[in-house]
Amino acid sequence: GAGVSQSPSNKVTEKGKDVELRCDPISGHTALYWYRQRLGQGLEFLIYFQGNSAPDKSGLPSDRFSAERTGESVSTLTIQRTQQEDSAVYLCASSPGGYWGTDTQYFGPGTRLTVL
Amino acid sequence: AQSVTQLGSHVSVSEGALVLLRCNYSSSVPPYLFWYVQYPNQGLQLLLKYTTGATLVKGINGFEAEFKKSETSFHLTKPSAHMSDAAEYFCAVSDRQAGTALIFGKGTTLSVSS
Repeated sequence: GAGVSQSPSNKVTEKGKDVELRCDPISGHTALYWYRQRLGQGLEFLIYFQGNSAPDKSGLPSDRFSAERTGESVSTLTIQRTQQEDSAVYLCASSPGGYWGTDTQYFGPGTRLTVL
Repeated sequence: AQSVTQLGSHVSVSEGALVLLRCNYSSSVPPYLFWYVQYPNQGLQLLLKYTTGATLVKGINGFEAEFKKSETSFHLTKPSAHMSDAAEYFCAVSDRQAGTALIFGKGTTLSVSS
């Protein structure tokens, strides 16, 4: 079956512009996660959605970052007024939605964001 | 706060040699433990995970990892490296008590030479 897909695969933007990144999770997966991977760093958790529960936003680095999810489907991560330090690969993952401590997460290929 | 340390950002082995990638975690309460692999131009995929039970966990592609509570470690091994094992490997943990998000190490790039 189809895996997690993300679009665009690459995005180059100018400092100060807003960007929207999209994630399509695996059908039937109730949990969805966003991570950021800066060059030479591990993955940093950004936000987690589980079904209709309030999202866990504890990893969002600033109020310039926000994310939405429509039901149990598509999610968009929005970065407003982009800064050069936002340059990174943004990864989306989904999981079946059991306890997220043990759930296997399935990752998309990522969106590489470059802020000039 | 929970943290994960992967010793060695880059490991090089010859084809057929033992692969050993090291991972240590920081918490006093053993977390759930994961190894993910990222092949070139592909997304991360789960290699194996430890949640409970037997401390030696077998994963895909001949990899295994052993949870050692006394050493707070979860090192990844493979007896004989193959060229196709060249990839970036990430160790990750999640907290049993707090149910936090996965916390990833910085990754280890494995190179395999013929």
